[in-house]
Amino acid sequence: QSVLTQPPSASGTPGQRVTISCSGSRSNIGSNYVYWYQQLPGTAPKLLIFSNNQRPSGVPDRFSGSKSGTSASLAISGLRSEDEADYYCAVWDDSLSGRVFGGGTKLTVL
Amino acid sequence: EVQLVESGGGLVKPGGSLRLSCVASGITFSPYSMNWVRQAPGKGLEWVSCISGNSRNTYYADSVRGRFTISRDNAKNSLYLEMNSLRAEDTAVYYCAREGLSQEFDYWGQGTLVTVSS
Repeated sequence: QSVLTQPPSASGTPGQRVTISCSGSRSNIGSNYVYWYQQLPGTAPKLLIFSNNQRPSGVPDRFSGSKSGTSASLAISGLRSEDEADYYCAVWDDSLSGRVFGGGTKLTVL
Repeated sequence: EVQLVESGGGLVKPGGSLRLSCVASGITFSPYSMNWVRQAPGKGLEWVSCISGNSRNTYYADSVRGRFTISRDNAKNSLYLEMNSLRAEDTAVYYCAREGLSQEFDYWGQGTLVTVSS
């Protein structure tokens, strides 16, 4: 069981906006930057958001991240079929002295 | 072309050992921290270990501390994971990932499968 809590699943129809939450504690999200990764079926994870809300070059601006207190969120607007994937939040945990990942959220585009 | 290529996975018996390698090409390797992340079949991502660019600092998940050892050879652009006392629960695809300047995992390998079974 991860120290970061994500909903196991989320869904939306094309064009909709969906959000995925990531809940932690003071020792992780409350103290450090949050990162988001996208894993398409059968592939390695890919960086989506870094430092809470920064997008690497090449990531569409449909993807955005935010953080408040001990929680973070990933928002995907203008949902597309190719967004169907697993999404993971990640953060450094000061108490564990290590990186932790959320349990992952499987996004289905209906 | 940017590439991180893992190797060394395979089938090993419980209690056995295995050494994973990750070779980087097309990216700057030596100044950056490197990580191992694993994913058990049908499960989520689990961070395993990290090593700083100069090898002075290493970090481990509680689940592998004392059994796994991370190391690197900057002259060979290579990262390693020595895995001892392997258990069934260590069965997973193991990914190497470079840690960028903002502590993001910016480049990932394709993974190598480790199966621990009798």
